[in-house]
Amino acid sequence: QLQLQESGPGLVKPAETLSLTCTVSGGSISRSSHYWGWIRQPPGKGLEWIGSVYYSGRTNYNPSLKSRFTISVDTSTNQFSLKLRSVTAADTAIYYCARLDSTDYPRYCQHWGQGTLVTVSS
Amino acid sequence: NFMLTQPHSVSESPGKTVTISCTRSSGRIASNYVQWYQQRPGSSPTTVIYEDNRRPSGVPDRFSGSIDSSSNSASLTVSGLKPEDEADYYCQSYDSTNVVFGGGTKLTVL
Repeated sequence: QLQLQESGPGLVKPAETLSLTCTVSGGSISRSSHYWGWIRQPPGKGLEWIGSVYYSGRTNYNPSLKSRFTISVDTSTNQFSLKLRSVTAADTAIYYCARLDSTDYPRYCQHWGQGTLVTVSS
Repeated sequence: NFMLTQPHSVSESPGKTVTISCTRSSGRIASNYVQWYQQRPGSSPTTVIYEDNRRPSGVPDRFSGSIDSSSNSASLTVSGLKPEDEADYYCQSYDSTNVVFGGGTKLTVL
């Protein structure tokens, strides 16, 4: 059974870089027809799409977000990662990783991680 | 970019039927599949409807999805409401450049 697990610091200082990793087990990240994505949810608010990566390294990002995000993949470890530069309090959220069904681009989430709360505070 | 607009909240009594709408701001609703996710407090979202009207295994047939091209919207209908259906529901669609979530609807089962 496919499982996704987010890991990373729960507390980040303003202006620093947030780094999160999603470890995939029970399936290969290199399988075609899937993208691997990140979604966040500020406390008490809705879901926000951040972006996704294909096993080849091809990425796409939410065009409404400023370009502070970087998503990458490491097929040797079956992991993919998210980096967010210059964080502010507005980046405080639960960050979810997910596997997405795809054709030439990601379409919808099929599996979700449990989420990890990241708080930005000094 | 397009947006998906949902009502902020809906409520209904146990045993009744409720419908949650999701309106696409631009582009045809039928051009890309619509999904619906259920999120209970403290939990990750789970899929209740995918590809407009398909149910994952394990989701009861009380949940159904549809699209209406005339109103450019999708709908999630939950019949025979149960207390455990009380949750937040999000619609989601996509295009070649983006994945978009609706703002979410809080379903209260009175």
